[in-house]
Amino acid sequence: DQQVKQNSPSLSVQEGRISILNCDYTNSMFDYFLWYKKYPAEGPTFLISISSIKDKNEDGRFTVFLNKSAKHLSLHIVPSQPGDSAVYFCAASASYNNAGNMLTFGGGTRLMVKP
Amino acid sequence: GAGVSQSPSNKVTEKGKDVELRCDPISGHTALYWYRQSLGQGLEFLIYFQGNSAPDKSGLPSDRFSAERTGGSVSTLTIQRTQQEDSAVYLCASTPGLAGAKTQYFGPGTRLLVL
Repeated sequence: DQQVKQNSPSLSVQEGRISILNCDYTNSMFDYFLWYKKYPAEGPTFLISISSIKDKNEDGRFTVFLNKSAKHLSLHIVPSQPGDSAVYFCAASASYNNAGNMLTFGGGTRLMVKP
Repeated sequence: GAGVSQSPSNKVTEKGKDVELRCDPISGHTALYWYRQSLGQGLEFLIYFQGNSAPDKSGLPSDRFSAERTGGSVSTLTIQRTQQEDSAVYLCASTPGLAGAKTQYFGPGTRLLVL
């Protein structure tokens, strides 16, 4: 039972355009969501997060939108740059979880930004 | 300061052998997590340590897997009698362990290949 899903395994965009990465979840107890970026042979790097009490969080070129009723979040990257090419993971945590704030991850979306 | 470090970066072993993977969390971080990423998959939670409390082992896939954390800092993940399906990237993450500190910082991972 996949509680966090990223239905697009890959996405290709032109440099300068917007990249939109999507994530869906099923567990209504999730109250904190994060996006991580991963380059090959490296660990995931934290990008941006959002609490369930908000519907938008912005940090520079990165904006995360949360739609709780649809159990959907998205990451917008504007403008996209070739250096953004990586695998992006959506992750979620629930305060009730005994395992601290263990993260449940989606399967990842590979973003390719073409010059 | 220094980030999360893991060793070895790569490990090749024969089926049936035991392996030990090491994680040094960020200094002062009391919460430590182990995850693994199998080929083409998202990250899967394995085990969680918080300070001196008993670890949450709910994600360990079998009793061949164990982990310890000495002195509240360094952690070792041990896999006994390795199987080919244990081949994956094993990732360690840490957080300050404070309420509300939900962002996990990851190490570069150990790539385990079981022949």
